[in-house]
Amino acid sequence: AQRVTQPEKLLSVFKGAPVELKCNYSYSGSPELFWYVQYSRQRLQLLLRHISRESIKGFTADLNKGETSFHLKKPFAQEEDSAMYYCALRTGGGNKLTFGTGTQLKVEL
Amino acid sequence: NAGVTQTPKFQVLKTGQSMTLQCAQDMNHNSMYWYRQDPGMGLRLIYYSASEGTTDKGEVPNGYNVSRLNKREFSLRLESAAPSQTSVYFCASREDRGNTDTQYFGPGTRLTVL
Repeated sequence: AQRVTQPEKLLSVFKGAPVELKCNYSYSGSPELFWYVQYSRQRLQLLLRHISRESIKGFTADLNKGETSFHLKKPFAQEEDSAMYYCALRTGGGNKLTFGTGTQLKVEL
Repeated sequence: NAGVTQTPKFQVLKTGQSMTLQCAQDMNHNSMYWYRQDPGMGLRLIYYSASEGTTDKGEVPNGYNVSRLNKREFSLRLESAAPSQTSVYFCASREDRGNTDTQYFGPGTRLTVL
């Protein structure tokens, strides 16, 4: 069965420091992965998807099939990056997403 | 566009009471979902509907029923609420353009069962 693991419940970094939010997945087929973000008092929203290979708000994520990982990275954290981040896996051909348990990122001044 | 709307925003129930959570979207999406969000558990899928007239169980369907009333509306019903159903409930709809998988979420309903 598919599974998404986010090992850190809370990640605290200083402003300007690099950020890496870890995500590992378990899936036997060809995975499609996403990062969703929930800012305080806002709705959960898509941040980026691996298939687009895009950078959003300075964040990037590379799918590493060998390590079954999709870590989210940003070279210099900003205060406005403080939020809950969820990694999600779409199983091939399905309509559903499997979410990880989330990582709360706190950027301190 | 209002996007995905949910009512109510907050609700307190006593054990055994029933209620229906309402969800509507105005983006003409075919797929709709109900999730629950619990601390340390992330988002877990309760039920989903790939199109009007169809519904399927997700990861945690026990104790819930759903109705896809029409393309816009997807309701979640708790027939006999239990304290274990205390949670934040999110409705979402999925953009069906090509192979995209963007899900758009509602603001959530915070439910407490005493």
